[in-house]
Amino acid sequence: EDQVTQSPEALRLQEGESSSLNCSYTVSGLRGLFWYRQDPGKGPEFLFTLYSAGEEKEKERLKATLTKKESFLHITAPKPEDSATYLCAVQGSRETSGSRLTFGEGTQLTVNP
Amino acid sequence: DAEITQSPRHKITETGRQVTLACHQTWNHNNMFWYRQDLGHGLRLIHYSYGVQDTNKGEVSDGYSVSRSNTEDLPLTLESAASSQTSVYFCASSLTGQETQYFGPGTRLLVL
Repeated sequence: EDQVTQSPEALRLQEGESSSLNCSYTVSGLRGLFWYRQDPGKGPEFLFTLYSAGEEKEKERLKATLTKKESFLHITAPKPEDSATYLCAVQGSRETSGSRLTFGEGTQLTVNP
Repeated sequence: DAEITQSPRHKITETGRQVTLACHQTWNHNNMFWYRQDLGHGLRLIHYSYGVQDTNKGEVSDGYSVSRSNTEDLPLTLESAASSQTSVYFCASSLTGQETQYFGPGTRLLVL
């Protein structure tokens, strides 16, 4: 059974204070690790897909990295508009997971001005 | 622009009533999914479909059903609503081979 654990559950940062969110996973045959952003009252919004260990992807102040056991979402010099819940999800092998994703519970990020 | 919509956005119902939540996507995605999101549990998969006439149970399917009669729609039915089904429901879709799921705006359901 695929499992995803995100930490911390909540994180408060001052504007400009860089930090990282963690996503640890166990999966049979990782095909993809996905990061989403979710604002209050809205659906999750896709950010990145990582496919293999060592891969990195960037978007504005966000950079996602992947190892064989975990992924990090690095936030550089965050702004208040980066405040949201960040969700991590994994997709295992086609035989065990098909097109399903398994989600973590998310990290609620608050960036204070 | 292609999109995924859900209706209604908010619903209040009574215990025992049948409720149907609509999901419509215009991306021509073959895969569609229904999740519920609750504090302390994250997103949990209710049902999913890989194409017309295909439906599958997810991890929390008891008390829910879906049917897929065309590519665009996957309605979720609560056969007899229970207070434990009070939640926020999200629909998502994806294309086999690309696998990124795109989510709708959600339906907030309150069962009294």
